[in-house]
Amino acid sequence: GAVVSQHPSRVICKSGTSVKIECRSLDFQATTMFWYRQFPKQSLMLMATSNEGSKATYEQGVEKDKFLINHASLTLSTLTVTSAHPEDSSFYICSALSPGGGQPQHFGDGTRLSIL
Amino acid sequence: GQQLNQSPQSMFIQEGEDVSMNCTSSSIFNTWLWYKQDPGEGPVLLIALYKAGELTSNGRLTAQFGITRKDSFLNISASIPSDVGIYFCAGPRGGSEKLVFGKGTKLTVNP
Repeated sequence: GAVVSQHPSRVICKSGTSVKIECRSLDFQATTMFWYRQFPKQSLMLMATSNEGSKATYEQGVEKDKFLINHASLTLSTLTVTSAHPEDSSFYICSALSPGGGQPQHFGDGTRLSIL
Repeated sequence: GQQLNQSPQSMFIQEGEDVSMNCTSSSIFNTWLWYKQDPGEGPVLLIALYKAGELTSNGRLTAQFGITRKDSFLNISASIPSDVGIYFCAGPRGGSEKLVFGKGTKLTVNP
């Protein structure tokens, strides 16, 4: 099946640091990927849609200058949390549509971000 | 916007028991997805439903796409300890590939 790899799995850093998270589709091309954020004991909330070769589209309330998304190739999307603060601490998860596009989405293993 | 109401919020059962959880919406969905999430990991797809009335099984799991297209249920038969986790229903928002998720059902299985 479609496999999505996310790296790193865990990041701990100081306030003010920028952090980059990678999301890769293994053995298939993903023109569209998605980035979610999940706070403890809550559901997944979509942050943005990452489109290969074009600008990402952000959900309402998500700061595009805070969460930079780059989708420069058909197998890689990156999320950079700029000038991270403790309130940015969360579980970030990416997903990709199935090979050829369409549902279901396949998810990476998530990145636990902790800002001190 | 479209919302998914998932119930129950949590379940505590004995090993061997059957489990049922469901998801409802006031809006029509064309696809229903069921995922399981273990602590510290991403959701893993269990079952995907694409057609109203569809009943699909995956091992001990069975899910159905409601005939009104506004609900879906997931059943787990003969539960085992590794069934522990959070189960989410999800569906694409009308006209897009973006998913909206239910709030999850946390399952605890006592051995």
